[in-house]
Amino acid sequence: QVQLVQSGAEVKKPGASVKVSCKASGYTFTSYGISWVRQAPGQGLEWMGWISAYNGNTNYAQKLQGRVTMTTDTSTSTAYMELRSLRSDDTAVYYCARDYVDTAMVGYWGQGTLVTVSS
Amino acid sequence: QSVLTQPPSASGTPGQRVTISCSGSSSNIGSNTVNWYQQLPGTAPKLLIYSNNQRPSGVPDRFSGSKSGTSASLAISGLQSEDEADYYCAAWDDSLSYVFGTGTKVTVL
Repeated sequence: QVQLVQSGAEVKKPGASVKVSCKASGYTFTSYGISWVRQAPGQGLEWMGWISAYNGNTNYAQKLQGRVTMTTDTSTSTAYMELRSLRSDDTAVYYCARDYVDTAMVGYWGQGTLVTVSS
Repeated sequence: QSVLTQPPSASGTPGQRVTISCSGSSSNIGSNTVNWYQQLPGTAPKLLIYSNNQRPSGVPDRFSGSKSGTSASLAISGLQSEDEADYYCAAWDDSLSYVFGTGTKVTVL
């Protein structure tokens, strides 16, 4: 079965960077893309971007362009999301999510990683 | 901010049918398929409906989706207590982003 296991909670100071990992299993890693989605406390879902696990092509949300980098390591079937210049409003649960099928994004979700930005 | 608009709340008694609307535009729902997600309290979202009206394996047929023009709907028939959750619609937008709805909290009375 498809599983996405994310790294643990992080506490960062404003201006710092955070890198969250997402280890995939149960399928051929390079066959599906991975999106990152975040959810601020008590708020809705926000798509951050997508990376092809096949060739590393990325598509970032315009709002985060220049601050976010998504990468993959096919040798370990792991996706990474790095967010730089953290601000307090970046405090959120960050999810990775695999494409469901070719025509449907954001299908299988990881358990989420809480990132808290506080001085 | 979300570009897909949903009612903030919906409710029903056990066994009733509840419908949630999702309003978008020609650049998202009007030209791309719609997915729906269920988020139970304290958990990660789960894909409920994809490609407008398809259910992933394991999703009960009480859940159904439809789309017309720039709007979509999720219907829950035979409402059960375990359906109490937040529901989000989502679609690809031609501005090259994936957009979520504002979310609807379903309460079982």
